[in-house]
Amino acid sequence: DIQMTQSPSSVSASVGDRVTITCRASQGIYSWLAWYQQKPGKAPKLLIYAASSLQSGVPSRFSGSGSGTDFTLTISSLQPEDFATYYCQQTKSFPRTFGLGTKLEIK
Amino acid sequence: EVQLVESGGGLVKPGGSLRLSCAASGFTFSRYTMNWLRQVPGKGLEWVSSISSSSSYIYYADSVKGRFTVSRDNAKNSLFLQMNTLRVEDTALYYCARDDILTAFSDYWGQGTLVTVSS
Repeated sequence: DIQMTQSPSSVSASVGDRVTITCRASQGIYSWLAWYQQKPGKAPKLLIYAASSLQSGVPSRFSGSGSGTDFTLTISSLQPEDFATYYCQQTKSFPRTFGLGTKLEIK
Repeated sequence: EVQLVESGGGLVKPGGSLRLSCAASGFTFSRYTMNWLRQVPGKGLEWVSSISSSSSYIYYADSVKGRFTVSRDNAKNSLFLQMNTLRVEDTALYYCARDDILTAFSDYWGQGTLVTVSS
């Protein structure tokens, strides 16, 4: 199975800050990576697919990069609605695996 | 508007069975690969199972293989998860999710149905 190591597990930041979350795959997954945002009591929402493609309707302050084993999600200027938990997921092979999540909290 | 609505969750004793359903609307269900995922409250996400559009390809997580069975009824726009021999560790919120045809990433999720396995 492909292991997804996500870091940090939590981060505190302020509105307007730039935040970067990283995800590392235990083996190469090309660009078969998605980023999801989840708010309390809600289903995950797809933000980025294929490592760097912005899902329709997602603000452009979100961006993704990377390929192979190392990936990043960047939020260029945090907004109040961005405080949530973020997960990466690989879809190169089954079982599809997630990172453990990064909780983004208000400083 | 794409909608996925899960149902069938509830309280069941260890060793018991439950059948989850996911009613899909707003898209041509028969063309899409569908998935079940779960989340223990307060914990991370876990992929459970995937089924291709025509049911030709089915995959399971090792944690549920041999106990859970995924199926679909394209005529009724419905996805199912038959869960047998349930364990305490199967307690979770179960989501169904659709894979986008072009990208193969899960672009729409339902709101989930809670399964609690407890004596």
